[in-house]
Amino acid sequence: GAVVSQHPSWVICKSGTSVKIECRSLDFQATTMFWYRQFPKQSLMLMATSNEGSKATYEQGVEKDKFLINHASLTLSTLTVTSAHPEDSSFYICSATRVWRGDEQFFGPGTRLTVL
Amino acid sequence: QQQVKQSPQSLIVQKGGISIINCAYENTAFDYFPWYQQFPGKGPALLIAIRPDVSEKKEGRFTISFNKSAKQFSLHIMDSQPGDSATYFCAASNFGNEKLTFGTGTRLTIIP
Repeated sequence: GAVVSQHPSWVICKSGTSVKIECRSLDFQATTMFWYRQFPKQSLMLMATSNEGSKATYEQGVEKDKFLINHASLTLSTLTVTSAHPEDSSFYICSATRVWRGDEQFFGPGTRLTVL
Repeated sequence: QQQVKQSPQSLIVQKGGISIINCAYENTAFDYFPWYQQFPGKGPALLIAIRPDVSEKKEGRFTISFNKSAKQFSLHIMDSQPGDSATYFCAASNFGNEKLTFGTGTRLTIIP
């Protein structure tokens, strides 16, 4: 149980285009979903926290107009990287917490974004 | 105050040995301390977690030791195996907040 999936697992796009990454909780309802980015050999940096039906809360320094987050249902959150640039190339990871449990986060497998 | 400091950055242990990774925190409001294991190109997976009401928690070969007064916690991997070679992250959160603050990671290599 408590499986989180991400789609796509990897994506290559041209500079200036937008890319959407999906995060789904497959067997539970997620009160909260989190989006992280991870550069090679570095730790996970929280980008934003999203709750179903409400606006995402972005961490300091994260451009909310560039990284659009939509948490449309209790099982789906999407991250759209708008007007992507090579410096946005990174490993994007989502996580989710279950409705009835507090703070255990279940992580997705990650999405590798490469912007050419 | 939100930082979680992790050491060492990398660690090489012989098969069958004990791997020890340490973390320290400043924020006394933290009350949930998980350890995650991450393989290359994969998302992190929860290994074991502890709350401050206990000083030690053991699950199989993995043990967390927690020292509340020193604001430190550590992961011990007993009988380390080559399959344990991965990057390990400690983390901490404040119950109700749910946001995790991650350590910088330790790359563990188990050699035969």
